[in-house]
Parts: sequence; C-alpha cells; structure tokens
Amino acid sequence: KAGVTQTPRYLIKTRGQQVTLSCSPISGHRSVSWYQQTPGQGLQFLFEYFSETQRNKGNFPGRFSGRQFSNSRSEMNVSTLELGDSALYLCASSQLTTSGGGADTQYFGPGTRLTVL
Amino acid sequence: GEDVEQSLFLSVREGDSSVINCTYTDSSSTYLYWYKQEPGAGLQLLTYIFSNMDMKQDQRLTVLLNKKDKHLSLRIADTQTGDSAIYFCAETSPNAGKSTFGDGTTLTVKP
Repeated sequence: KAGVTQTPRYLIKTRGQQVTLSCSPISGHRSVSWYQQTPGQGLQFLFEYFSETQRNKGNFPGRFSGRQFSNSRSEMNVSTLELGDSALYLCASSQLTTSGGGADTQYFGPGTRLTVL
Repeated sequence: GEDVEQSLFLSVREGDSSVINCTYTDSSSTYLYWYKQEPGAGLQLLTYIFSNMDMKQDQRLTVLLNKKDKHLSLRIADTQTGDSAIYFCAETSPNAGKSTFGDGTTLTVKP
C-alpha cells in the first residue's frame, strides 16, 4: 500500500497571503489529522476529519481551516499568513473503522515545509 | 488534559543500548506509540504497545510500560549511527484521530 502523501513538499509565501496544503491518506483510511511542528512549540494538533466531518479541533485561530473530500483526501488552508506560521505541517491518517487502538494508529506523511517571509 | 513528557537529549556510543523515557497523564489511552523523525522527514512509526501489556519486543526495540506510574520507555539494543534521530512518545485518544506528543528526545550515537 502506498503511504500518506502530501503536496507540495516545500512552499514559500509572504505575509498576508493564503496557502492550501493537500494530503492523501493511506487507501482505506477514513481519518485524517493535521499537525503543526515548530522548534518552539513542538508537535501541535490542528484538527481531525472523519467522513468529511471535522470531529476534533486544536487550539489554533480561525485562519486555520480544513476540509475532507468523499475520497478521504484532505486539504488544509491558512489565510492571512503570519511569520509565526512557518512550520512543518504534518498529515496523518488512521483507519478508525473499528474501535480499539490498532485502528487508531496514525501514519504520517513526509510533511509540507512552509516558510513565510 | 493530556500531557506527555520526555527528556530532551541522550548520547550513547555505537553498540551500547539506549533507553528513552516518557511519562504521560491520560489514563484513557489504550495505546502508546513511539515515532522516529530524521532530519527533514516526517514521523516514522516504530512500535506501539497496548495499555494492558507490560512489555513488547520487536527486533532491537523493547518497550516497557508501567501503567501504574504512567511511565513508558523505549530500549534500543546495539545502537547504530543510523539510529541518530529524534524519538517521540505519543498517546492517542481512542477513536478520536488525535495524538498528544512529547517534545521528543534527540538521540546522538557516537562512533
């Protein structure tokens, strides 16, 4: 099975612009989660989508949004970019088709490195 | 809320064993995970342990879980230079698609 893929891998934007990141989960995985990784804050949970619905959201401003399509692919959007949004954005997918931690296991993509100038 | 803590740095000699420690707070966690991150890469799942287990061994990796103390450790036997990376401990809320990570332990393996 192919792993989680994220596009683009690298992105450079300027303050005030907006950006859209894409994530394709492992085939058969219905849950997609997004995380922001920075040297100062570590790995922080952004939000999670399951069957096109946002079920969980982390403590981020409304400039961060996302969506999930019927094929489980997900996009994340950041509007009005700030310098502090520079980070590695990681997407993870999990099955969640049954209860129990085995299906909870999250598999991560390589990430999108966003630099805001 | 959930919280996961790890020591930040560990340095060992090639061939020695490495032990990375982690404590967590969420008693509802059913599975606990170890991930490895190499420079410029995403997170690679190394292993996980079910909360009703005490130990899990997978080749050079041994995970020990003390559920009473909420303490998790990862032992890497015969550590190699290729094991140099950041190791993250994580707990996952059941059926929620959300993991809480520690700050990561940077493992440096000296030849």
